Amino acid sequence: SAVISQKPSRDICQRGTSLTIQCQVDSQVTMMFWYRQQPGQSLTLIATANQGSEATYESGFVIDKFPISRPNLTFSTLTVSNMSPEDSSIYLCSSADRASTDTQYFGPGTRLTVL
Amino acid sequence: QKEVEQDPGPLSVPEGAIVSLNCTYSNSAFQYFMWYRQYSRKGPELLMYTYSSGNKEDGRFTAQVDKSSKYISLFIRDSQPSDSATYLCAIAGPYNQGGKLIFGQGTELSVKP
Repeated sequence: SAVISQKPSRDICQRGTSLTIQCQVDSQVTMMFWYRQQPGQSLTLIATANQGSEATYESGFVIDKFPISRPNLTFSTLTVSNMSPEDSSIYLCSSADRASTDTQYFGPGTRLTVL
Repeated sequence: QKEVEQDPGPLSVPEGAIVSLNCTYSNSAFQYFMWYRQYSRKGPELLMYTYSSGNKEDGRFTAQVDKSSKYISLFIRDSQPSDSATYLCAIAGPYNQGGKLIFGQGTELSVKP
């Protein structure tokens, strides 16, 4: 299974600012995903990070709020833009191979608090 | 109706007990079923993966799927304090859905020594 790291592990940010979260996988993977886990809630898929093209967003999530980059097969970033306290959450990235996209491995998460 | 419903717990059991965790799902198109374990302040860890009805065993863990009832379960035998975590069921459709996982709400389990 792939080993995934995320930076930062946690951050406290001011309302109106933006934060970029990095996700690094230790091997080349076909697919990378970004999830949000709000306090006491389960995981919700934000978007699929596509290498070399625009990310695919789920309903309720837009590119202007959550721009995503994926410059190669091992790295992706998620930016949380113009933050409000409602964005306080854990943000997780995951990876999968196309042969088994349903078998996803997760990073440790980034715990974001917006004041 | 949510696509996946999971008993939220919390669940507290004594060490050595058998634990049963359950989820139901609404769409028969879902074909792949997973259980993740999430320790506090950690990312989810894949525990079990199955795609057919029946039982799949891995050590003290057994995943059970009943596609006719749209019901999935995870059994933990001889539970240990180290099993204390939140358990999340997840389901996925055919590959052409792009690998989207839908998670249940999670069940918080506490195993008391």
